[in-house]
Amino acid sequence: GAGVSQSPRYKVTKRGQDVTLRCDPISSHATLYWYQQALGQGPEFLTYFNYEAQPDKSGLPSDRFSAERPEGSISTLTIQRTEQRDSAMYRCASSSAQLFSTQYFGPGTRLTVL
Amino acid sequence: EDKVVQSPLSLVVHEGDTVTLNCSYEVTNFRSLLWYKQEKKAPTFLFMLTSSGIEKKSGRLSSILDKKELFSILNITATQTGDSAVYLCAVLVGGATNKLIFGTGTLLAVQP
Repeated sequence: GAGVSQSPRYKVTKRGQDVTLRCDPISSHATLYWYQQALGQGPEFLTYFNYEAQPDKSGLPSDRFSAERPEGSISTLTIQRTEQRDSAMYRCASSSAQLFSTQYFGPGTRLTVL
Repeated sequence: EDKVVQSPLSLVVHEGDTVTLNCSYEVTNFRSLLWYKQEKKAPTFLFMLTSSGIEKKSGRLSSILDKKELFSILNITATQTGDSAVYLCAVLVGGATNKLIFGTGTLLAVQP
């Protein structure tokens, strides 16, 4: 597609429920990143994919967080047993496979856990 | 621990003013420094700086990197109300992962 898209744009859920967020990267981009952005802060790295491989999960805050990219294109981020502290903007970015290439961001999903 | 610090945290100016936003960093395995403009939607890419002392310019915006002193500045001349946004500085760190380390951003408000 022309840019990175994410869905849903807003998600409100109750504590304890599972949520799945979706990212559709720029179609030619091999690399996809997930970031968490708290209010008033810059995005913080969660994990990334190079095609379908997930070489780095170091930023995932707990084992309740997981991400997939089974066919190397669309990715999902799943948060199980959500907690109020998970409330944040979740941003996806993609970049080409070239070294040091620019990351382009999607509009984000605003997650609110009640 | 990798760290990116931006200053000021917020800034209010009048249209036509010139502003300078600062970004300093302490990271291992520096690759490049990026500036993004964040309005209501996605952060939009402004500049990527890899080499010291080479100014990048786009219209009224310009930026430069000093890899010896570990900082960058973003200048905006003749500010307009449409420049109002959060400006994010991020450092791309290499190694196994090319991940971005972000600062907290500078909130710029341009008043008419």
